[in-house]
Amino acid sequence: SQTIHQWPATLVQPVGSPLSLECTVEGTSNPNLYWYRQAAGRGLQLLFYSVGIGQISSEVPQNLSASRPQDRQFILSSKKLLLSDSGFYLCASRGQTLGGYTFGSGTRLTVV
Amino acid sequence: AQSVTQPDIHITVSEGASLELRCNYSYGATPYLFWYVQSPGQGLQLLLKYFSGDTLVQGIKGFEAEFKRSQSSFNLRKPSVHWSDAAEYFCAVGAWIVGNKLVFGAGTILRVKS
Repeated sequence: SQTIHQWPATLVQPVGSPLSLECTVEGTSNPNLYWYRQAAGRGLQLLFYSVGIGQISSEVPQNLSASRPQDRQFILSSKKLLLSDSGFYLCASRGQTLGGYTFGSGTRLTVV
Repeated sequence: AQSVTQPDIHITVSEGASLELRCNYSYGATPYLFWYVQSPGQGLQLLLKYFSGDTLVQGIKGFEAEFKRSQSSFNLRKPSVHWSDAAEYFCAVGAWIVGNKLVFGAGTILRVKS
């Protein structure tokens, strides 16, 4: 079964600072990978997904970017954080079969 | 494209009472369906899934869900709620296309009163 590691668990960053959140996957190869954000009371918003190394699709225009430098590594970044980037960020993975997602434990980002 | 509606934002039930969380989906063919649970500050955990076959599926923690094609629904049920079931619950729908993204509902927050 798949395991997803996300870090850090919590992060407090000043406005205008850079961001790098990392997600790594174990137990599968060539997974589809996803970054979601949860703002308070807003449900899950899909930000990016990737079907392979270097392949990134963006779902919403925003201040963030994503990269997939290795098969099982997915990175969420920003050059300059905004207050509106605060939220709970979740990484998810799905293997190459029809199935559900496995989620990481999330990163709580607070931009101050 | 598929879509999911969870009509109840919040639900409060007494401990020991039965529970039903509603989920309606929209998709032109037979979907595959999931329920996830999220405790505060945690990731999402899969409760159960429906792909095909028996329309009543059993999941972890005593939960079950029934797929009703005629009503486009996949409601989650539990006969007796425990205080530890207090969490947010998400329904999700996918299409039978490899690589297709799951679409999640907005979630239902369950409160359990003693």
